[in-house]
Amino acid sequence: NAGVTQTPKFQVLKTGQSMTLQCAQDMNHEYMSWYRQDPGMGLRLIHYSVGAGITDQGEVPNGYNVSRSTTEDFPLRLLSAAPSQTSVYFCASTNPGRPYEQYFGPGTRLTVT
Amino acid sequence: GDSVTQMEGPVTLSEEAFLTINCTYTATGYPSLFWYVQYPGEGLQLLLKATKADDKGSNKGFEATYRKETTSFHLEKGSVQVSDSAVYFCALSRSARQLTFGSGTQLTVLP
Repeated sequence: NAGVTQTPKFQVLKTGQSMTLQCAQDMNHEYMSWYRQDPGMGLRLIHYSVGAGITDQGEVPNGYNVSRSTTEDFPLRLLSAAPSQTSVYFCASTNPGRPYEQYFGPGTRLTVT
Repeated sequence: GDSVTQMEGPVTLSEEAFLTINCTYTATGYPSLFWYVQYPGEGLQLLLKATKADDKGSNKGFEATYRKETTSFHLEKGSVQVSDSAVYFCALSRSARQLTFGSGTQLTVLP
């Protein structure tokens, strides 16, 4: 049981490049989320999904796209990378029952130059 | 909207010292409350949780009590170890949609 996995662990992009951050979970959770972590700001929600085919925006969605074709996978796409997207990205899946405990992946550290 | 306010860090303690990290929240209804811990270079791990007023969450010697009257969920440990050095996040949830996090508190424990 791997929980939540993310790839890659590190990535460096040039401004304007695009890429996809991968996330997968094996707990059969319907809810999955993407967060970014910046110094002094905690984690902020980018996008989330309540099941295959259903996604919605979080607090900071601009510059990111998501899709959810299967329960297991929830990739995050950066359309045209900007230095402001330099951050650590975490994927999480949520236990559907209260207290809605979230399980996090190990993170992807992205640098945009 | 929902918000979580955490004690600002960094916090530096000597081994075996008593730890308190303050956390207060703003939310309607009865949110679930969490403390997550992030060790260097790793993701977030759930440390403890509480789901209703006066619940006490505990794990690995850490404790926190859900205080509805003061909207607080302070993290405590009686005797910290060097291995407790990490960033600690207080968070709340009212639905499966998202967790609302505090800004995190960096704890360093010196031998």
